[in-house]
Amino acid sequence: GAVVSQHPSWVICKSGTSVKIECRSLDFQATTMFWYRQFPKQSLMLMATSNEGSKATYEQGVEKDKFLINHASLTLSTLTVTSAHPEDSSFYICSVNRGGTEAFFGQGTRLTVV
Amino acid sequence: AQSVAQPEDQVNVAEGNPLTVKCTYSVSGNPYLFWYVQYPNRGLQFLLKYITGDNLVKGSYGFEAEFNKSQTSFHLKKPSALVSDSALYFCAGGDTGTASKLTFGTGTRLQVTL
Repeated sequence: GAVVSQHPSWVICKSGTSVKIECRSLDFQATTMFWYRQFPKQSLMLMATSNEGSKATYEQGVEKDKFLINHASLTLSTLTVTSAHPEDSSFYICSVNRGGTEAFFGQGTRLTVV
Repeated sequence: AQSVAQPEDQVNVAEGNPLTVKCTYSVSGNPYLFWYVQYPNRGLQFLLKYITGDNLVKGSYGFEAEFNKSQTSFHLKKPSALVSDSALYFCAGGDTGTASKLTFGTGTRLQVTL
């Protein structure tokens, strides 16, 4: 199956700084990737759909200026949490769909803002 | 619009006993349903899916799920639980069969004890 790699696995940053999370599709050229967010003891919520070469599509309630998504190549999408605050602390997961009926998830990135 | 519900926050079962993790769904069209497992600080791993066809779906690690249209359910089952099955299980629904833009249930923590 497709291999999806996220980096970093965990990051601690100071409030007010920005953090970039990378999602790489290692063996598949993905025109679309998905970013999810998971709060402690809660389910995953779709944040946005990352589209290669065009603007991301954000779900309702997700601030696009807060969560910048760049999908500059077919194997890499990045999520930048800008001016991070403690309430942004969460587990962020990306997924890739190969056009079939199965989504492949990255290992996730745990962000802690202090 | 679609929604997925997992009515149990936690399921406890003794090793060797059968297990069931419940999931019900509500969709406006054909249901596309998935089960994923998540280990601590890890991404999601695909277990199985229902797109069409047989109501009993067999997946990874000995898991299976039964699609029941009349009860709008897609319960995850395993005949004999293992301690290593202890994890967080998510039921998810897709708006198409391509597993994109998944809607997740709230998750059920399975605890298997000796």
